[in-house]
Amino acid sequence: GQSLEQPSEVTAVEGAIVQINCTYQTSGFYGLSWYQQHDGGAPTFLSYNALDGLEETGRFSSFLSRSDSYGYLLLQELQMKDSASYFCAVYSSASKIIFGSGTRLSIRP
Amino acid sequence: ETGVTQSPTHLIKTRGQQVTLRCSSQSGHNTVSWYQQALGQGPQFIFQYYREEENGRGNFPPRFSGLQFPNYSSELNVNALELDDSALYLCASSSADNYGYTFGSGTRLTVV
Repeated sequence: GQSLEQPSEVTAVEGAIVQINCTYQTSGFYGLSWYQQHDGGAPTFLSYNALDGLEETGRFSSFLSRSDSYGYLLLQELQMKDSASYFCAVYSSASKIIFGSGTRLSIRP
Repeated sequence: ETGVTQSPTHLIKTRGQQVTLRCSSQSGHNTVSWYQQALGQGPQFIFQYYREEENGRGNFPPRFSGLQFPNYSSELNVNALELDDSALYLCASSSADNYGYTFGSGTRLTVV
């Protein structure tokens, strides 16, 4: 079967750093993406990793290890507006994306 | 540049009925995908269209069908609605050289 595992909830403090992990098991693999979704809103694209290593975009970074079928999203200098659900998503083919169940990030002042 | 727009935003249907949801892709995007998102869950891939042809499908029955038009807008049709079809339906578009998908705000479908 195909599955993505990520923690259901994470809590962090404003200004801190948080890491959201994702492990996957899919029949094919093209790359790993991360999306942010605020309550009642549309998912917003954050990053895409096709190769091993770290990709940095401002306060957000994403990492991929293909050999370990593992990736993570790193959020630095947390702000209250970062409170949202974060989804990892595997491109299992050029035309099919599988999403995880999401991690709800809550940020305390 | 306009984003992805979906209509209607909310819809209530009766079990057994048919529904059509519509999506206008972001300008310059020729690929459109549809997803079903239940409350508290991640989006589930329904299918994808590229240049008016379906080129990928998830684990959804044939009563879920779609169309993509020459202007790259799209429709999702669901026949013989079931109570479990109640969900947020999301449309996302992208271009062939871009792995990031732009999502619309979705249509909230309630089947009673």
